[in-house]
Amino acid sequence: ETGVTQTPRHLVMGMTNKKSLKCEQHLGHNAMYWYKQSAKKPLELMFVYSLEERVENNSVPSRFSPECPNSSHLFLHLHTLQPEDSALYLCASSRDYLRGSSYNSPLHFGNGTRLTVT
Amino acid sequence: AQTVTQSQPEMSVQEAETVTLSCTYDTSESDYYLFWYKQPPSRQMILVIRQEAYKQQNATENRFSVNFQKAAKSFSLKISDSQLGDAAMYFCAYRGTSGSRLTFGEGTQLTVNP
Repeated sequence: ETGVTQTPRHLVMGMTNKKSLKCEQHLGHNAMYWYKQSAKKPLELMFVYSLEERVENNSVPSRFSPECPNSSHLFLHLHTLQPEDSALYLCASSRDYLRGSSYNSPLHFGNGTRLTVT
Repeated sequence: AQTVTQSQPEMSVQEAETVTLSCTYDTSESDYYLFWYKQPPSRQMILVIRQEAYKQQNATENRFSVNFQKAAKSFSLKISDSQLGDAAMYFCAYRGTSGSRLTFGEGTQLTVNP
């Protein structure tokens, strides 16, 4: 039990498909994150949600659409992806997303979804 | 903007020996947090150790310790008595005082030889 669960573990999709990645955290955290991990590149922060409100969107193409229906669940909706979008997508959560004294709450990650776009 | 650099793409160590992974960072902030994360083949990123910049004492967690040199902006990880289970990709990460954005390095792949 990792505390942060991601499904599916692997996903292969065509460029015209629509799919969704799911993340669920059982830690009572208030902030959730999507990261993209490509080979030989640092992790890239995509989106941040705090108390179900999007607080960061780092110039991510519109073919990636996040959704946070409640503080325990986070989705990443995918449509008309490109082959260069193939990567490991990691979800994470933390106790807080605050500008101040609580910023030391570490991230807890899921096992990721390995996405291949053909 | 903050940057994190890990200059060793790959490292190897003999079981029971000690290895040090390097990390440097660039920032204009005076207060921040530094982290080392481990990513084994299971792909889950696991927090290994963290250091508050305002603390001069180096953090230690069992066999893992850091050498934090604030003036040099260096944050190396030392693994003592290496075990086969330590084999993983290790990421150094920086977190400033504004929000929770983590900036990661490119990672160091550690191999532990029996």
